[in-house]
Amino acid sequence: GNSVTQMEGPVTLSEEAFLTINCTYTATGYPSLFWYVQYPGEGLQLLLKATKADDKGSNKGFEATYRKETTSFHLEKGSVQVSDSAVYFCALSPLLTGGFKTIFGAGTRLFVKA
Amino acid sequence: DAGVIQSPRHEVTEMGQEVTLRCKPISGHDYLFWYRQTMMRGLELLIYFNNNVPIDDSGMPEDRFSAKMPNASFSTLKIQPSEPRDSAVYFCASSLSLAGSQETQYFGPGTRLLVL
Repeated sequence: GNSVTQMEGPVTLSEEAFLTINCTYTATGYPSLFWYVQYPGEGLQLLLKATKADDKGSNKGFEATYRKETTSFHLEKGSVQVSDSAVYFCALSPLLTGGFKTIFGAGTRLFVKA
Repeated sequence: DAGVIQSPRHEVTEMGQEVTLRCKPISGHDYLFWYRQTMMRGLELLIYFNNNVPIDDSGMPEDRFSAKMPNASFSTLKIQPSEPRDSAVYFCASSLSLAGSQETQYFGPGTRLLVL
């Protein structure tokens, strides 16, 4: 079946450090891949997405590349800020006949210290 | 657009009481999702609708939970009777389907439910 596995948190970094949050997936066919971010007290919001192999999604300095050969979609940012402290969810959206639903990972909490 | 609107934002109730959560999706979106988020189990999909019709309710925990979508602009999630283990944040989300694939989900701010 379809599933998403992401690294456990929390991840604690100092400001301006390099960030990587690993995400791997299992899916049939060619799903779309997403990273969502949840700030404290808010709902999830889309951070970036990629819809086919080798696509790179990017937004607000964050990047992730759809790697079909390694079934991965790792999130990276070159220099994190305190304001990046949040929970990050990797997700996939399979294409299923008759209906579909997004599969979310467990989430990785990021703390950035000043 | 105002985004997905949920009400109430906070609800505190006593065990055994009925709780109704409300959601207004983004206009034009044809999919609506109800999620529950807890520290222990993370984000769980409860049910989703397409064009107001329930498609998959396999995530609904038990018969105490029910959801309706009487029209394209309104949905409810009802818990009757409520129990302390139902305490969680409940999110509503909506999305648009294009070319046979699902697009981005847009989440509401959530309803924080505490059952005493």
